Amino acid sequence: GESVGLHLPTLSVQEGDNSIINCAYSNSASDYFIWYKQESGKGPQFIIDIRSNMDKRQGQRVTVLLNKTVKHLSLQIAATQPGDSAVYFCAEGGRGAQKLVFGQGTRLTINP
Amino acid sequence: DVKVTQSSRYLVKRTGEKVFLECVQDMDHENMFWYRQDPGLGLRLIYFSYDVKMKEKGDIPEGYSVSREKKERFSLILESASTNQTSMYLCASIAGGSGGSYEQYFGPGTRLTVT
Repeated sequence: GESVGLHLPTLSVQEGDNSIINCAYSNSASDYFIWYKQESGKGPQFIIDIRSNMDKRQGQRVTVLLNKTVKHLSLQIAATQPGDSAVYFCAEGGRGAQKLVFGQGTRLTINP
Repeated sequence: DVKVTQSSRYLVKRTGEKVFLECVQDMDHENMFWYRQDPGLGLRLIYFSYDVKMKEKGDIPEGYSVSREKKERFSLILESASTNQTSMYLCASIAGGSGGSYEQYFGPGTRLTVT
């Protein structure tokens, strides 16, 4: 399944399928991008980050892709599990600054 | 493990009351942040601080003030609470300096209801 971030804030996928969550960022000067996961009743937790000099970075079951030409960021989650159900936020930051700007978030629901 | 704690998970206050939300981090981080989170609006930055006694306005500072007297503690103050300040409040911290990760570590949040 695939979402378009701000325009489709919910995404439902079958357990075991791959998920793709998209994010359009606003500032072409942003140097740093980060994905957070927020489970119900908890604060956001770091998933993966990427700098603007990269176009792909992989973690455990997750991959972040960065397309600076169209200012687009995506998070791919492989073989989704029930514990992946959460709201996922992208955030962008400027060079040398710690202040982040967050996207609206996408709610991912995993169906058994 | 970095730990960011917030003084309350749930808080109910009356309109006009003065409200204090406390945040403490244990990793000697220079930078601390207060956000509010509302459905459909994501996280919006209220204030941040990059050093003791230093503060900067975020995107929505109106109706709020902050205090950072010690490095580990960052307080958010609602001088006169209003119903439109009912929200989830999240505190975060990050080490200072460029070149490293910009991962912000978040607390569990305080759900404030103003009646």
